[in-house]
Amino acid sequence: SYVLTQPPSMSVAPGQTAKITCGRDNIGSRSVHWYQQKPGQAPVVVIYYDSDRPSGIPERFSGSNSGNTATLTISRVEAGDEADYYCQVWESGHYRPVFGGGTKVTVL
Amino acid sequence: EVQLLESGGGLVQPGGSLRLSCAASKFNFHNYAMTWVRQAPGKGLEWVSTISGTGFSTYYADSVKGRFTISRDNSKNTLSLQMNSLRAEDTAIYYCAKGYSSGPGAFDFWGQGAMVTVSS
Repeated sequence: SYVLTQPPSMSVAPGQTAKITCGRDNIGSRSVHWYQQKPGQAPVVVIYYDSDRPSGIPERFSGSNSGNTATLTISRVEAGDEADYYCQVWESGHYRPVFGGGTKVTVL
Repeated sequence: EVQLLESGGGLVQPGGSLRLSCAASKFNFHNYAMTWVRQAPGKGLEWVSTISGTGFSTYYADSVKGRFTISRDNSKNTLSLQMNSLRAEDTAIYYCAKGYSSGPGAFDFWGQGAMVTVSS
């Protein structure tokens, strides 16, 4: 099965930078999308097509994708960034989207 | 702004059926693929099913194939998910999500979710 590997959790101090990874062989050949989900809320897309930012998403959120790793970077982390973050791609050869297991980001 | 509003969730016994609906507004519904994604309590996101803008093409996760049916009524801007032979492991919040484009891509808008509980 097609698996995207994310670290289950990470902690970051306010003002610092959080880098959330999403791993898979040759993921750089796929478009990666990132979602933020706060407790009790629906997911919200924060980055699509590797590095594009939807309107309304702060510039502090950025994305990159190369080789075997895609990365969501949150600069100058704020308390409001505390959430679960999921990466997502479409599985090659199948019309089937796949989500990573999610990373819980805790702001210290 | 785009609005997606799910309804139809609830408590159902194992082996029972339930139909979810998603009312869409403020975008050209027929131009976009629509998807159901679920999230079991305390777990991550799991894709369930996708339907093309025309409704002619449908796709299912192996875990629901043969039990769930996705459909849409473009005249009423409504997406549906008929769920039969429900199992305890189908217990989850079910989200409808709009595709960013007509083809594979990001899900740029999500509904608030409908809770489905399968239990005796």
